[in-house]
Amino acid sequence: SQQGEEDPQALSIQEGENATMNCSYKTSINNLQWYRQNSGRGLVHLILIRSNEREKHSGRLRVTLDTSKKSSSLLITASRAADTASYFCATGLTQGAQKLVFGQGTRLTINP
Amino acid sequence: KAGVTQTPRYLIKTRGQQVTLSCSPISGHRSVSWYQQTPGQGLQFLFEYFSETQRNKGNFPGRFSGRQFSNSRSEMNVSTLELGDSALYLCASSLWTEFQDGELFFGEGSRLTVL
Repeated sequence: SQQGEEDPQALSIQEGENATMNCSYKTSINNLQWYRQNSGRGLVHLILIRSNEREKHSGRLRVTLDTSKKSSSLLITASRAADTASYFCATGLTQGAQKLVFGQGTRLTINP
Repeated sequence: KAGVTQTPRYLIKTRGQQVTLSCSPISGHRSVSWYQQTPGQGLQFLFEYFSETQRNKGNFPGRFSGRQFSNSRSEMNVSTLELGDSALYLCASSLWTEFQDGELFFGEGSRLTVL
């Protein structure tokens, strides 16, 4: 069963705009990760945030985590056409485990 | 260094057959996991291996099995294939330690079509 629900399921914006995707989950977690997938290919790790962290940045990415609301958000600033992909949040329930529970993903389209 | 390599990339089987998928992790990674991705169920965890031992197993029937070899390479097998087994099967490796959360490095996947 899916742990996370992502919102929106699809998002279409203009190049240069910011994109925000949200993820909610159901149980206590050790960490939350975001991955990107291009057209049915392999997933690429974007960022990991631990349960004791509230915000993390990596380049144009900003992730927040609110464990009281069991939710996370991924912000991509100054979007580019190459950012077009599906984005998945994944929760790690125990430290170091490779067993992640993925959300259904957000399909992001950046229009030139 | 080379990424996670999965073979074959594409394959077509018929119902009742069996299939074996192979995964070579990134050099030095001893932890390997497998995921199934379908349009309906999304990404679902199948197994996790570390040093040839299965550490975790997802909620899949016994037709799905896997193993890891001493060189960390891993295989998964699906017997008595069903139409619903059509999916993208993804392998991931990581530098796992029990004290550290690590990112997963995914291969490009093996796309299985069952007819």
